[in-house]
Amino acid sequence: DVKVTQSSRYLVKRTGEKVFLECVQDMDHENMFWYRQDPGLGLRLIYFSYDVKMKEKGDIPEGYSVSREKKERFSLILESASTNQTSMYLCASSPPEGVAYEQYFGPGTRLTVT
Amino acid sequence: SQQGEEDPQALSIQEGENATMNCSYKTSINNLQWYRQNSGRGLVHLILIRSNEREKHSGRLRVTLDTSKKSSSLLITASRAADTASYFCATERPHLTSGTYKYIFGTGTRLKVLA
Repeated sequence: DVKVTQSSRYLVKRTGEKVFLECVQDMDHENMFWYRQDPGLGLRLIYFSYDVKMKEKGDIPEGYSVSREKKERFSLILESASTNQTSMYLCASSPPEGVAYEQYFGPGTRLTVT
Repeated sequence: SQQGEEDPQALSIQEGENATMNCSYKTSINNLQWYRQNSGRGLVHLILIRSNEREKHSGRLRVTLDTSKKSSSLLITASRAADTASYFCATERPHLTSGTYKYIFGTGTRLKVLA
């Protein structure tokens, strides 16, 4: 079974702190994604990566950056956390298009910025 | 902006009844997927239907796709309390600069099945 793990289930940080959210997948998937989920807004794509060291902006990249130094690991970085970044963060991975389109999700990290 | 919009936003039914939720989208698609999310957890893929398919079954799930109306429906038959979850549709959109695809999720339908 594909497994996507995220470094923390719950995280509390202070405004202005630099925050790292880590995601690891064990299926050698090329594609990895970071979403945030907010009530009434569904899932919104922050960044995605289709290869090591490759990254593309999603729909709401402002205030975030990402890093993919190894194929299995995709990190989301909040350079200076703000209260409006309080949210549920979901990581996902998928094989390359043309093979399958199913995304595999991690359990999520609920981040609170105070 | 969200590509998929689910309807209704919330649905409450009795165990054993059927649950139907709908998804509408705006642009042409190659495929449409449905996911389930249990409270506070990640999403789990349920079923994928391609644009040249009209109906697909998986266990108690039945998905239909009407590309002329740009809509899909998910039917869960003989619902169980364990089906209580949020259900999302997702469509792919080409990402022009990378040549790959990104996935657009709707806002979801919250289903509650009462025992």
